[in-house]
Amino acid sequence: DGGITQSPKYLFRKEGQNVTLSCEQNLNHDAMYWYRQDPGQGLRLIYYSQIVNDFQKGDIAEGYSVSREKKESFPLTVTSAQKNPTAFYLCASSSGLAGFNEQFFGPGTRLTVL
Amino acid sequence: KNQVEQSPQSLIILEGKNCTLQCNYTVSPFSNLRWYKQDTGRGPVSLTIMTFSENTKSNRRYTATLDADTKQSSLHITASQLSDSASYICVVSVGEITGGGNKLTFGTGTQLKVEL
Repeated sequence: DGGITQSPKYLFRKEGQNVTLSCEQNLNHDAMYWYRQDPGQGLRLIYYSQIVNDFQKGDIAEGYSVSREKKESFPLTVTSAQKNPTAFYLCASSSGLAGFNEQFFGPGTRLTVL
Repeated sequence: KNQVEQSPQSLIILEGKNCTLQCNYTVSPFSNLRWYKQDTGRGPVSLTIMTFSENTKSNRRYTATLDADTKQSSLHITASQLSDSASYICVVSVGEITGGGNKLTFGTGTQLKVEL
């Protein structure tokens, strides 16, 4: 059963804590992405990775960090430096550049800061 | 500035009726345009992908049209079902190979509700 999985589905965090969101794919895709979705706004790119051990900042990378040690995995850490972290986070992957290849999305993680 | 605007913001229709959602974009250079369906609390799922040379594309009850000259696209849903209730997102890709792996501009979506 191929696809993208994200965990957990819901995550609660106290202010000042770092949290890590998991994203795993078994589609053998080289590229992976993290987006943030807020009500009334389009998806915004946080970070993306085109290949293992390499990643690039997106439009709203401040307060976030990522790693890409394995092709299948692209975890996102929301740090305490992110001023407004409550949002719906979506992970995606594509076989090549997102602009020219279809992106497949995971089910999302809803993060709430208490 | 690359922008994608969708209308209406929300729409309520009766089951069995048709509807059309609109997408206007100012992305340049244009590569392709995508329509996604996003159920509440879930990730988006691709419906269609159209390049500039494609005027229309169908996927079951969904038909997308593209006018690259006027930079407009529409998504027509035929014989709506309750399961069509979702947000429909228009996404436009910038036609650049260099400079990064992701050049997608997302619309804010049209929230469709299908009622009995």
